[in-house]
Amino acid sequence: DIQMTQSPSSLSASVGDRVTITCRASQSISSYLNWYQQTPGKAPKLLIYAASGLQSGVPSRFSGSGSGTDFTLTISSLQPEDFATYYCQQTYSTPWTFGQGTKVEIK
Amino acid sequence: EVQLVESGGGLVQPGGSLRLSCAASRFTFSGYWMTWVRQAPGRGLEWVANIKQDGSEKYYVDSVKGRFTISRDNAKNSLYLQMSSLRAEDTAVYYCARVSLDLKLVPPCVAFDYWGQGTLVTVSS
Repeated sequence: DIQMTQSPSSLSASVGDRVTITCRASQSISSYLNWYQQTPGKAPKLLIYAASGLQSGVPSRFSGSGSGTDFTLTISSLQPEDFATYYCQQTYSTPWTFGQGTKVEIK
Repeated sequence: EVQLVESGGGLVQPGGSLRLSCAASRFTFSGYWMTWVRQAPGRGLEWVANIKQDGSEKYYVDSVKGRFTISRDNAKNSLYLQMSSLRAEDTAVYYCARVSLDLKLVPPCVAFDYWGQGTLVTVSS
């Protein structure tokens, strides 16, 4: 199985900050990498697909990059509604696996 | 907008069975792969199973193989997860989700673009 490791596991940031979350795969997954956002008590929401594709309706302050084993989710200017947990997911091979999550908290 | 509504969760004893349902609306259900994802309390996300549009292909995570069965009824716009021989570690919120395909990659990149609100399954005596 492909292991996905996110860093950091949590971070504190202020509104307006630029935030970067990293995801590393245990083997190359080309660009088969998605990012999801989950707020407490809610279902996950797709933000980025295929490493850099912005899902329809998602604000442009979210962006994704990377290929192979190393990927990044960037929030260019953190907004109050962005405080949440973020998960990366590989769909290169089954079982499709998620990272452990990165919790973005208010500083 | 796309709507997915899960039902069927509840409290079940270890070794018991439960059938989850997911009612889909506002999209052409028969045109999409569908999937189940679970989340144990306070934990991360785990993909459980997925099923092709016509039900001819099904895939499972190893931990549920032989115990869970994914199925669908396109005439009823419904997805199901039959769970048996349940264990305490199956306790989780179970989400159904629609599978999207990004055709710019070959093979296409799979993502889960719409999710239901989830249904809680608790396995405990």
